[in-house]
Amino acid sequence: QQQVKQSPQSLIVQKGGIPIINCAYENTAFDYFPWYQQFPGKGPALLIAIRPDVSEKKEGRFTISFNKSAKQFSLHIMDSQPGDSATYFCAASMIQGAQKLVFGQGTRLTINP
Amino acid sequence: DTAVSQTPKYLVTQMGNDKSIKCEQNLGHDTMYWYKQDSKKFLKIMFSYNNKELIINETVPNRFSPKSPDKAHLNLHINSLELGDSAVYFCASKPWGGTEAFFGQGTRLTVV
Repeated sequence: QQQVKQSPQSLIVQKGGIPIINCAYENTAFDYFPWYQQFPGKGPALLIAIRPDVSEKKEGRFTISFNKSAKQFSLHIMDSQPGDSATYFCAASMIQGAQKLVFGQGTRLTINP
Repeated sequence: DTAVSQTPKYLVTQMGNDKSIKCEQNLGHDTMYWYKQDSKKFLKIMFSYNNKELIINETVPNRFSPKSPDKAHLNLHINSLELGDSAVYFCASKPWGGTEAFFGQGTRLTVV
């Protein structure tokens, strides 16, 4: 029930393409869904996050789509650039309490020039 | 002016040794965490402290002992290191009731 499943494990896209990374969760008590971006040798950094009361959130070229009934959410990167090449993690947590993040398995994204 | 800093960045040690990793945050946050990232890059919570009080203790071997001397510091002591402890350990912090967690740059522990 605490799992977050992420796919694909790796993704290669040409510059300008729109990579899409998908996540699914089981625990309906989760009410905060962030995406983290991690570059080699660095810690994860928050990219964008969504609460379940909205179905979509955009920040710059990054969009989260959220489907509460299906318990799924996804990250879209518009006009992808080689600098977006990184590992992306979806996560879920509960706003109340200690708010531990339950992470997906990660997606290694490569954007080719 | 690093927000969450960990020391050391790299640690290579022999099986059976005891080692510590230190974490400090200058963000004024109340809540701090230790996460472990394994060789497949999977990130998993280990511990969390809020205002020096342990609030999360996942199923981690008791060879791992966290300590928070004050709310800006969270250390991780590991006894009798095993090969399987090799991983990257991340410290993170956030304000209690806030949502964004800030991660340190990680400590790569290699047990040989």
